[in-house]
Formats: sequence, C-alpha cells, structure tokens
Amino acid sequence: EDQVTQSPEALRLQEGESSSLNCSYTVSGLRGLFWYRQDPGKGPEFLFTLYSAGEEKEKERLKATLTKKESFLHITAPKPEDSATYLCAVPHGGGRGSTLGRLYFGRGTQLTVWP
Amino acid sequence: ETGVTQTPRHLVMGMTNKKSLKCEQHLGHNAMYWYKQSAKKPLELMFVYSLEERVENNSVPSRFSPECPNSSHLFLHLHTLQPEDSALYLCASSQDHPGYYEQYFGPGTRLTVT
Repeated sequence: EDQVTQSPEALRLQEGESSSLNCSYTVSGLRGLFWYRQDPGKGPEFLFTLYSAGEEKEKERLKATLTKKESFLHITAPKPEDSATYLCAVPHGGGRGSTLGRLYFGRGTQLTVWP
Repeated sequence: ETGVTQTPRHLVMGMTNKKSLKCEQHLGHNAMYWYKQSAKKPLELMFVYSLEERVENNSVPSRFSPECPNSSHLFLHLHTLQPEDSALYLCASSQDHPGYYEQYFGPGTRLTVT
C-alpha cells in the first residue's frame, strides 16, 4: 500500500501554461514533506521542505503548499527547462528511535513542457 | 567536490562478476543510504547507515553487500547479480539529528546486468 500518491503520472504543458501537481499522503504525525526534482538518469535534487499545514515555499516558478492530507506543487508559466520528474516524499520514523529512518517516496509526476 | 558524488556513473557487468559502487558525501552528514530506482516504481530504500553502523537492511538479497568505513564514504559490493537487478542505484546522505530529515542524493550509478 502506497503511503504517498502522486498525480497525475504524467503532465504535458505548453510553455506558459500554469498547472499543479498533487501529492497525497497517509502517514500520521507528519514530520515534513519533501519535494524533489529528478532529471533523466540523475539523482533527485532537493527542492522544498514543508512542515505544517498552511506552509508555503517558493522557488522561481515553483510554489509548494501543504494541507493536512496533501501537498501541491504549483508551476507558474513553466518553461521547457522545467521538464523533469517531480517526486514527493514523507519521512517515516525509524532507526534507533531517532529521526533517522526511511522516506516514503511517491512514484513521481513526469512533467513535459513544450515550447 | 561538493554534495554527494558516486562512481562509476555507468556499469555493465555479467552475472558472475564482482564490482563495487562508491559514494562519497562532502556535506558533513553522519547518515548515508543506498536506494534502488527501477522504472515506474518508487525509490526503494536498501540500506541505512548512521555513524558507520548499519541501522536498516530492508530485506535486500545477500548479493548486495554494503560497507561504510567512515561517515563520508559508502560502498555497495555486488556479486552474482541477476538481470532484474539492473537499475539506477542512488546514494543519499542526511544528518541524524532531531527534526532534520532532508536527504541529499548523488547522481546515481546506472547498472546493467547482462
């Protein structure tokens, strides 16, 4: 059972066409939600951390928001260079009773922005 | 070098070969991870090390053998792999500290088992 669900699986946008990606989660006691960007054949690149409902973070054309059950990654006026797979992840407490543990990752949304 | 580096970036090996993947982090973190990423699947956590001690082995077959000689270096030793082990192997690091969960990833090693 997936703890993190991302939608849509794939999204094609024309340059300048704004949209949103969704990440819903089922873990209780959320201790943060992370957004990553991953280019083909490369490792995920950290974008944002959100900790509490109502929080927002922005970076260039991206804005991440968080509610009690989901997060949105809003992309405003995207450009072709924004094409990538966007992953979200939430931590699961584990390890030696510390904060160290696994991250539950979603399957990602593959975004393609065409000129 | 900055961030998390991995070598080699690409590896092709036969099922009878033995090879090793290397990861090095330059972030001053004290925890390191190995992940496997296959097409259309979420990232799969394989191993977690904190302060050079393995704290998690996520039911990974014994043909994968991790080694963490210090908090900056992590290895994944491979032997008698199967074709289904072909994937992108990612190393990540983080700080094992209350309230700090972000993991930073390396570029990955694309492994092909023939």
